[in-house]
Amino acid sequence: QVHLVQSGAEVKKPGASVKVSCKASGYTFTGYYLHWVRQAPGQGLEWMGRITPNSGGTNYAQQFQDRLTMTGGTSISTAYMELSSLKSDDTAVYYCAREFCTNGVCHLDYWGQGTLVTVST
Amino acid sequence: DIQMAQSPSSLSAAVGDRVTITCRASQNIYTYLNWYQHKPGKAPKLLIYGASTLQSGVPSRFSGSGSGTDFTLTISSLQPEDFATYYCQQSYSTLPTFGLGTRLEIK
Repeated sequence: QVHLVQSGAEVKKPGASVKVSCKASGYTFTGYYLHWVRQAPGQGLEWMGRITPNSGGTNYAQQFQDRLTMTGGTSISTAYMELSSLKSDDTAVYYCAREFCTNGVCHLDYWGQGTLVTVST
Repeated sequence: DIQMAQSPSSLSAAVGDRVTITCRASQNIYTYLNWYQHKPGKAPKLLIYGASTLQSGVPSRFSGSGSGTDFTLTISSLQPEDFATYYCQQSYSTLPTFGLGTRLEIK
């Protein structure tokens, strides 16, 4: 059974960085892209980026290009999302999600439980 | 980036009602369109992928249609557990994008 388990809630000051982990189990970690999506309070879902665990290749949404880093620890089936230069509007719940493709159509079929990151002085 | 416009942004309906949510892409995305349900405090849940294929375990009252730029999600007979926010998402582009969401509330 597929599970994605994320690290716990974080409180950070503006300008700091946060690193959230996502541990996968129940499937071959290197075989599937892993995405990160966030939801700020009162806002919708926002796609941030994805990583190919096998190669470490990444794609990031333009608005995060200069301060987002995604990595994957293949030996421990864990993906990491690090966001730097935090601002108050980075306060959000951050989700990891597995991408699954059927006949070329790709979707996010399993999600982590979410990690609340609060940015506050 | 491909923009996804959802309507309405919110909707009030009663148990048993038939509900339709629409999603329009800013360019042709063929059938690379997915729908998710999101409840407060929970992870989003995949409902439909490829515009019309029901994800395993999702009740058959949910259906999706459309291709190109215009898509719909229909719930044939609302159940109490369906009150949530619904998002469309395009997976045509290397950079996926979500719609802004449709909040479905109890009338």
